[in-house]
Amino acid sequence: KNEVEQSPQNLTAQEGEFITINCSYSVGISALHWLQQHPGGGIVSLFMLSSGKKKHGRLIATINIQEKHSSLHITASHPRDSAVYICAVRSYAGGTSYGKLTFGQGTILTVHP
Amino acid sequence: SQTIHQWPATLVQPVGSPLSLECTVEGTSNPNLYWYRQAAGRGLQLLFYSIGIDQISSEVPQNLSASRPQDRQFILSSKKLLLSDSGFYLCAWSVQGLNEQFFGPGTRLTVL
Repeated sequence: KNEVEQSPQNLTAQEGEFITINCSYSVGISALHWLQQHPGGGIVSLFMLSSGKKKHGRLIATINIQEKHSSLHITASHPRDSAVYICAVRSYAGGTSYGKLTFGQGTILTVHP
Repeated sequence: SQTIHQWPATLVQPVGSPLSLECTVEGTSNPNLYWYRQAAGRGLQLLFYSIGIDQISSEVPQNLSASRPQDRQFILSSKKLLLSDSGFYLCAWSVQGLNEQFFGPGTRLTVL
């Protein structure tokens, strides 16, 4: 079992729909990241959170530390939101300070007009 | 502001040939630097990280090596490429002691 599991693996939506991508992890973490990878490959950091909820534009990220679960929501989805969304966690593993991340497999989102 | 560069953007190399991918960071000092690989259909995997010049840690045994000859330069190398080295290679940096990492544009390597 992977330390970071995302669901669904593939997601297709119509423009305007509300989208949720889930991430579950099995280790203690100091932070969780949501990343966006565009078709060209470039990766952009969307959120870094260790508790509660963050919002940026149409994107909302939540995390429940007790349940080891995070969700990424996209409201009023648009075709330009089509990308791979990746969840990554930074574990406490030995008190390292180098920011090692463990990544989920990614969720491929396609939003049709 | 900080920027991270990688080159080349794409590379096609024959099996057995050497490899050198370069990553440079501007606008910051003494960053942590990372090399990741994303194989086709798989998630990102950390290959190497560095907390300072000539300080490299390898996460997985492999055909690749990394070097950091200067504070903001990180190089990924191989003496002889294997087919399994094909993938998308990403460099990233972070401020030491902080969590957030910033990714470069990546290099798509195809080994034929």
